[in-house]
Amino acid sequence: EVQLVESGGGLVKPGGSLRLSCAASGYSFRTYSMNWVRQAPGKGPEWVSYISSSSTYTYYADAVKGRFTISRDNAKRSLYLQMSSLRAEDTGVYYCAREAVPGEVDYWGQGTLVTVSS
Amino acid sequence: QLVVTQSPSASASLGASIKFTCTLSSGHSSFAVAWHQQRPERGPRFLMKVSSDGSHIKGDGIPDRFSGSSSGAERYLTISSLQSDDEADYYCQAWGTGIRVFGGGTKLTVL
Repeated sequence: EVQLVESGGGLVKPGGSLRLSCAASGYSFRTYSMNWVRQAPGKGPEWVSYISSSSTYTYYADAVKGRFTISRDNAKRSLYLQMSSLRAEDTGVYYCAREAVPGEVDYWGQGTLVTVSS
Repeated sequence: QLVVTQSPSASASLGASIKFTCTLSSGHSSFAVAWHQQRPERGPRFLMKVSSDGSHIKGDGIPDRFSGSSSGAERYLTISSLQSDDEADYYCQAWGTGIRVFGGGTKLTVL
């Protein structure tokens, strides 16, 4: 069974930093691309970032470019999102999401809540 | 610019059918989309991928009541024999090189 478990969320002040993790199990993590997708309260999902299976390619939404960094450790079956210069509008639930084939998200984690507030 | 558009709300009676529409932006009518369901207070769940030729591939455990189809730049998700736990938000998702986009979602109320 595919499982994606996020962790690392919490309350952080504007301008602060936070590192999210996603632990994958139940499949060959190293062969799949991954994404971070967030969801602000009462809103729909918003794509944040993508990383290819071997970390060759990374992409970011304009809203987070230059502030967030996606990475992965295939040996540890883990995905990460380093977030810095956080703003109130970064508040939301952050999900890690697997891609079965390019672009198609086929599994989601349960999410971790990030709250940016003073 | 790749954009997908959905109606914000829909309603149908228990046991009836409902068809959701996702419209791709101009110049992207050949793109596939993925449909996701999000029940209240839960994370999203992948339902299926719908291609431009109308073919669809469902996710693990998705019942036969769920199906997909296409026409031009529109991609559809149809749910038949509606049940109470189908009440949820339904999102379509598209992708291109270096970008993934989500629609604003359609909130389904089962009457």
